[in-house]
Amino acid sequence: DTGVSQDPRHKITKRGQNVTFRCDPISEHNRLYWYRQTLGQGPEFLTYFQNEAQLEKSRLLSDRFSAERPKGSFSTLEIQRTEQGDSAMYLCASSLGGTGEYNEQFFGPGTRLTVL
Amino acid sequence: AQSVTQPDIHITVSEGASLELRCNYSYGATPYLFWYVQSPGQGLQLLLKYFSGDTLVQGIKGFEAEFKRSQSSFNLRKPSVHWSDAAEYFCAVGSRYSSASKIIFGSGTRLSIRP
Repeated sequence: DTGVSQDPRHKITKRGQNVTFRCDPISEHNRLYWYRQTLGQGPEFLTYFQNEAQLEKSRLLSDRFSAERPKGSFSTLEIQRTEQGDSAMYLCASSLGGTGEYNEQFFGPGTRLTVL
Repeated sequence: AQSVTQPDIHITVSEGASLELRCNYSYGATPYLFWYVQSPGQGLQLLLKYFSGDTLVQGIKGFEAEFKRSQSSFNLRKPSVHWSDAAEYFCAVGSRYSSASKIIFGSGTRLSIRP
């Protein structure tokens, strides 16, 4: 399967613990996005990368959140000192990037985080 | 600021009946417009998109949507729904002027199908 993959699919953790999620984009895609989706809501943009550079971060991304894409391929999203309000589905998407025409984002299945 | 409103949280229709899901957007100019579908355990799948040109766009799975600039709407339609259409549907906008292609989603409409 050559789609976007995310690992793990589910994560249950206790409040105060750190968690890390991984996203593997479609191989030829140079843009990678993270979104967060809470129950009953649509996905909200968190951050995006063009290759290894993190070019935009939402104000939703507090200082407890950090995302990396060290080699311009897979990305990790880490949440430190988790809080119950961090419980959500974390979605990753990838696309081709460039000027001009819009490039479709392809979404992974998401990682569902539950903070107890 | 861009925003998307989906006024219907939950809709139930009978199998074989027609469907219309409402979407209104707020944007300073003509945005990119999208409809996505999300089934349990599945990722978001793009049903259709509008960039420019013909205001009636055709998508996958027999869906279509019509862009109405005067009403700032982009409603999704299907003439005859199937039980497999039960899912969450999201309308979304993207900026023509942002190289990031960031997408702003509505809160979604959950579609149930009555046998």
